Amino acid sequence: DTGVSQNPRHKITKRGQNVTFRCDPISEHNRLYWYRQTLGQGPEFLTYFQNEAQLEKSRLLSDRFSAERPKGSFSTLEIQRTEQGDSAMYLCASSRPGPGGYEQYFGPGTRLTVT
Amino acid sequence: LAKTTQPISMDSYEGQEVNITCSHNNIATNDYITWYQQFPSQGPRFIIQGYKTKVTNEVASLFIPADRKSSTLSLPRVSLSDTAVYYCLVGGTGGGNKLTFGTGTQLKVEL
Repeated sequence: DTGVSQNPRHKITKRGQNVTFRCDPISEHNRLYWYRQTLGQGPEFLTYFQNEAQLEKSRLLSDRFSAERPKGSFSTLEIQRTEQGDSAMYLCASSRPGPGGYEQYFGPGTRLTVT
Repeated sequence: LAKTTQPISMDSYEGQEVNITCSHNNIATNDYITWYQQFPSQGPRFIIQGYKTKVTNEVASLFIPADRKSSTLSLPRVSLSDTAVYYCLVGGTGGGNKLTFGTGTQLKVEL
């Protein structure tokens, strides 16, 4: 399967711990996005990369969140000092170069539970 | 980004055609209309995109009137497996677009 993959699929952590998620996009896609989704809501944009450059971050993204895409391929999203409000599904998506950025391919997500 | 309004939920039966309408009164000239589908515990999946009139692909049709202030996603002959949340999004198609999702329409298909 050459779709977007995310690891781990589930993560349970205690409040105050740091967590890191990984996303592997579709290989020829140069754009990579992170979203967060809570129960009953649509996904919420967090940040976006074009190749290795992080071009946009949501104002809602606290300083405890950081994302990297060091070689323009896979990406990591780290949450430091997790809080219970961080519990959510974290989704990664990728899209092709050129026009059509609205056709994004999503991974299965990482479900984070902060206890 | 233009705000969208869609019904919270819809019910249908297998074999029926389902039409989900989305209102976007403040759509801009260069905005496209895009629909996504999401099953529980999965990421959203692109269904269809259009600018005006009608677009059809293998899974759905999208009807957009001349004033573009609304759009209708049409799913022909739905099955149980079409039970999902459907999101209407409005925005440009330039590179690097973040998607702005609303709460979507929960479609439930029954036998």
